[in-house]
Amino acid sequence: DAKTTQPPSMDCAEGRAANLPCNHSTISGNEYVYWYRQIHSQGPQYIIHGLKNNETNEMASLIITEDRKSSTLILPHATLRDTAVYYCLTGTASKLTFGTGTRLQVTL
Amino acid sequence: DGGITQSPKYLFRKEGQNVTLSCEQNLNHDAMYWYRQDPGQGLRLIYYSQIVNDFQKGDIAEGYSVSREKKESFPLTVTSAQKNPTAFYLCASSIDISRTSGRAYEQYFGPGTRLTVT
Repeated sequence: DAKTTQPPSMDCAEGRAANLPCNHSTISGNEYVYWYRQIHSQGPQYIIHGLKNNETNEMASLIITEDRKSSTLILPHATLRDTAVYYCLTGTASKLTFGTGTRLQVTL
Repeated sequence: DGGITQSPKYLFRKEGQNVTLSCEQNLNHDAMYWYRQDPGQGLRLIYYSQIVNDFQKGDIAEGYSVSREKKESFPLTVTSAQKNPTAFYLCASSIDISRTSGRAYEQYFGPGTRLTVT
């Protein structure tokens, strides 16, 4: 599985869009990009995944660059409840590797 | 409600004792996983099982053992051989969410067990 690189922390004002970047420059052609988040002391929660096309669901949008070497998770209107650690992962099989993620702090 | 249950939420043991952490799922998922998380760190894979009666070592299997006798259950034993067993342990199961190309999986996590060994 390709290694991913994320900034360790980010801040976002409540109501604004949170844009979380991820680099996965060694991603292979059949590897998906996944995003999960972990609220303090809970199990991680799946957010979204994509292969080549941009994706949107009720939680977030995923923008993948054309060369697939990086992606951005967008929370369109961040709330205090979105404060969490966000993990970007890549993989082809059911076995995924979690890095240390980005700690997003949403503030008033 | 479908989901993954882990018990207990907090567990305390003396050094040198083996301890078994419970993980049960009623989601009918084939694959199950155990992860370990240390403070401020990401998740590290201990063991995973893609089918009943079969399991594979993850990245940090030393000092741990598992069994998968039933689809619903994947207990993890932390043995006395594990040098630093104090950690947050997470169990997960996964479902195939593949669409048009490639294979994609969504993992569902339990609430975790916080083990403290003194």
